[in-house]
Amino acid sequence: SSELTQDAVVSVALGQTVRITCQGDSLGKFYASWYQQKPGQAPSLVIYGRNKRPSGIPDRFSGSSSGNTAFLTITGAQAEDEADYYCNSRDTRLYTRFVFGSGTKVTVL
Amino acid sequence: QVTLRESGPALVKPTQTLTLTCTFSGFSLTSSGKCVSWIRQPPGKALEWLAMVDWEDDKFYDASLSTRLTISRDTSKNQVVLTMTNVDPMDTATYYCALDSGDYVFDSWGQGILVTVSS
Repeated sequence: SSELTQDAVVSVALGQTVRITCQGDSLGKFYASWYQQKPGQAPSLVIYGRNKRPSGIPDRFSGSSSGNTAFLTITGAQAEDEADYYCNSRDTRLYTRFVFGSGTKVTVL
Repeated sequence: QVTLRESGPALVKPTQTLTLTCTFSGFSLTSSGKCVSWIRQPPGKALEWLAMVDWEDDKFYDASLSTRLTISRDTSKNQVVLTMTNVDPMDTATYYCALDSGDYVFDSWGQGILVTVSS
C-alpha cells in the first residue's frame, strides 16, 4: 500500500534549524505538500510544489526533496512553530488521489 | 474569501449511516481545477484522506474505504455531501472538508466536525 512515513517527534532549540523528513514511494513521482496543525485547529498549508509558500507563510519555512524523501526545514524556529506537521502527496494507487504522512510533533525548546 | 463549513451529527450509533455536509463559499466547484475533499483525523492520530469530487463531477475514494463512502455535490447549493455506511467506533474522528484550487494541495480547510460513533 502507498504510505508516507515521518519521524514521530522532533525537538529544536529556539532560533535553531530543524528538518522534518517524509519518506514514501509516491514522492519519487509527485511533490510533497506540508501542513501545520496546532492543537484544536484545522491544518493549514505551509509548503507545496517546488518550495512554494502560500501568502502569509514566513520564509523560514522551506521545502526540498531527494529521491523518495521530502523535507520541511524551519530555519530559525520560533515558539509559534511548535505544532504537528503532516506531509501529503498524490497517491500512486489507481483511483485514489492523496495520501498523508504519519505526522511529526515539533517541540521548540 | 473562501470558506468551508462542515455540518452533521455529533453522535451516531454503530452500523448506522453517517451523512456529512460541506457548505462552501468564495469559489465555484464548476471552475476548472477546483476539487473538494473530505479528510478525517481520529483523536490523537494522523490525517486520513477519504474522498474527493472535482469540477467535472468525477469522484475518487480511498481504496480501503471505497465500498462504504459516497461523495456527491450540489452546485446550486454550494455543498458537497459525504455518506459513510455501516459506521464503527473506529470511525470516530474529526471530519474536515478542504478545497484544492488546482495544485493538488489543500489550500483552504473547514473548521472540522467531531463525530463520535458509540451506542
